[in-house]
Amino acid sequence: EVQLVESGGGLVQPGGSLKLSCAASGFTFSGSAMHWVRQASGKGLEWVGRIRSIANNYATAYAASVKGRFTISRDDSKNMAYLQMNSLKTEDTAVYYCTSSSSGYTSDYWGQGTLVTVSS
Amino acid sequence: QSALTQPRSVSGSPGQSVTISCTGTSSDVGGYNYVSWYQQHPGKAPKLIIYDVTKRPSGVPDRFSGSKSGNTASLTISGLQPEDEADYYCCSYAGSYTFEFGGGTKLTVL
Repeated sequence: EVQLVESGGGLVQPGGSLKLSCAASGFTFSGSAMHWVRQASGKGLEWVGRIRSIANNYATAYAASVKGRFTISRDDSKNMAYLQMNSLKTEDTAVYYCTSSSSGYTSDYWGQGTLVTVSS
Repeated sequence: QSALTQPRSVSGSPGQSVTISCTGTSSDVGGYNYVSWYQQHPGKAPKLIIYDVTKRPSGVPDRFSGSKSGNTASLTISGLQPEDEADYYCCSYAGSYTFEFGGGTKLTVL
């Protein structure tokens, strides 16, 4: 059974940093791309970014709204993906989901999400 | 404002069919066959129901189908059931390794 478990969310002040983790199991993590998607309360889904597999040189891509502030990384030896968020803004407040992608172009499976609140 | 345009709401009675549209441009929906659809029930994580425009993951009922014409993708749900009441989101590859979601459509089963 595929499982994705996010952690690391919480309350942070504007301008602060936070690192989210995503623990994966039940599938070939090293061969999969991983996406991060966020959802503000009562709002729609917003794609945040993606990291591809070693076969694609761990290439990363980001939404314009987070580029230069957020960094996605992964540790295939631990089946973990990460989202480092710097220079956080109030508009970054959302539930953050990690998703797995066998093709790189879909979010096949989703975690339960972790809430990030940016507020003073 | 989302890059892909979806109707805010649609409704139908049990047994009927409904179609949800997702309109983009030639730079996203119209330019690639990488449109996916997600179903989200309240308080739950989204679930993939259609990928690569028309493909269904295993376990997804064949009542769900996808299509695309030009810059508009569509999700059709036939034989509506009460459990289909949920929010539905389209997503498209948008080039330069980025992706875009639609604003979401709330489906009400009357």
